[in-house]
Amino acid sequence: AQKITQTQPGMFVQEKEAVTLDCTYDTSDPSYGLFWYKQPSSGEMIFLIYQGSYDQQNATEGGYSLNFQKARKSANLVISASQLGDSAMYFCAMREINGKGAQKLVFGQGTRLIINP
Amino acid sequence: ETGVTQTPRHLVMGMTNKKSLKCEQHLGHNAMYWYKQSAKKPLELMFVYSLEERVENNSVPSRFSPECPNSSHLFLHLHTLQPEDSALYLCASSPEGGLNSPLHFGNGTRLTVT
Repeated sequence: AQKITQTQPGMFVQEKEAVTLDCTYDTSDPSYGLFWYKQPSSGEMIFLIYQGSYDQQNATEGGYSLNFQKARKSANLVISASQLGDSAMYFCAMREINGKGAQKLVFGQGTRLIINP
Repeated sequence: ETGVTQTPRHLVMGMTNKKSLKCEQHLGHNAMYWYKQSAKKPLELMFVYSLEERVENNSVPSRFSPECPNSSHLFLHLHTLQPEDSALYLCASSPEGGLNSPLHFGNGTRLTVT
């Protein structure tokens, strides 16, 4: 079974600072995908960035980048210059394929990020 | 309207009530999902439908009954719930076969069982 671990329950960062949210995963599949989502207090889950296991380069999307270290099985999210609107819960997730070939996402516990002005 | 829409946004129900949660997606996807998010717990997958066929039932109690009449609509029928079923219920969709595609989520229904 696959597993996603986010070891930081909460993080406090000053506005405009860079922040790294940790995510480690465990899988025996050679092909997998990793996703990061943001969940503001309103509850919606917002997709941020995707990294495939065979991707040669780290994914980047807007102000987000993914520090993918395959040998360490880590896929940390980096926010280059944090803004007040980045305050939210952040979830790391891994794609899993069930016996019927259907895709599903398995989520980590999440990290609550608070940006201080 | 685009995206994934869930109704109602908030629901309070007694343990003997019967209610339904509705999810509608306008993205042309043909896989739909129900997730449960309880306080201080990771999102838990409940059900997956692919091309209107249920392809995952994650050991969910029978008091939760999903229905997928077509690829755009997904329901979660609720009856005789328990207080521990109070949670945020999130619906999501994705394109069938799109293994690199993210799930697109609705805003969720916050359910309180009294």
